[in-house]
Amino acid sequence: AQTVTQSQPEMSVQEAETVTLSCTYDTSESNYYLFWYKQPPSRQMILVIRQEAYKQQNATENRFSVNFQKAAKSFSLKISDSQLGDTAMYFCAFMKDPKTSYDKVIFGPGTSLSVIP
Amino acid sequence: DAGVIQSPRHEVTEMGQEVTLRCKPISGHNSLFWYRQTMMRGLELLIYFNNNVPIDDSGMPEDRFSAKMPNASFSTLKIQPSEPRDSAVYFCASSSALNTEAFFGQGTRLTVV
Repeated sequence: AQTVTQSQPEMSVQEAETVTLSCTYDTSESNYYLFWYKQPPSRQMILVIRQEAYKQQNATENRFSVNFQKAAKSFSLKISDSQLGDTAMYFCAFMKDPKTSYDKVIFGPGTSLSVIP
Repeated sequence: DAGVIQSPRHEVTEMGQEVTLRCKPISGHNSLFWYRQTMMRGLELLIYFNNNVPIDDSGMPEDRFSAKMPNASFSTLKIQPSEPRDSAVYFCASSSALNTEAFFGQGTRLTVV
């Protein structure tokens, strides 16, 4: 069974600084997808960034980038130039390749990020 | 598309009553998920449908919980009888093999008193 671990329950960062959120996962699959979701106080779940395991290049979306280490099964999220609107819960998530297997999404326990003015 | 639509947004009910949560997935998506979110347990996958068929219901806590997907555009999660420990935010999400990501509804905040 797949598991997703986030070892940092809470983190804080000064506005405009950079912060890295950690995620590790366990799977025997060769191809899969990894995600970071953001949940602000509005409780809406918002996709931040996605990585397909067979792609070696790390995904980036504006101020958000990942460090994907497949061998280590690590998938960290870096937020650059942190903004007050980045304050939220961040969830790391895993999904098997839907082209080869049923594609349920498994979430980690989340990291609560506070951006301090 | 309006996204995943859940109703109601909020539900307050008395212990012992039946509760039905509703979800309309994004058109064309063939996978549908029901999650429960609590402070103590985080986001738990309750049940997962693919092409309207329940694939994995191992997360359903007990027989009081049931879920149906009678067609590709509608699903329900029912709790009967409800208990205070069922109080949580219940999310519905849908995805397709093409998109891969799960799109979430706004959630239903259930309070059982």
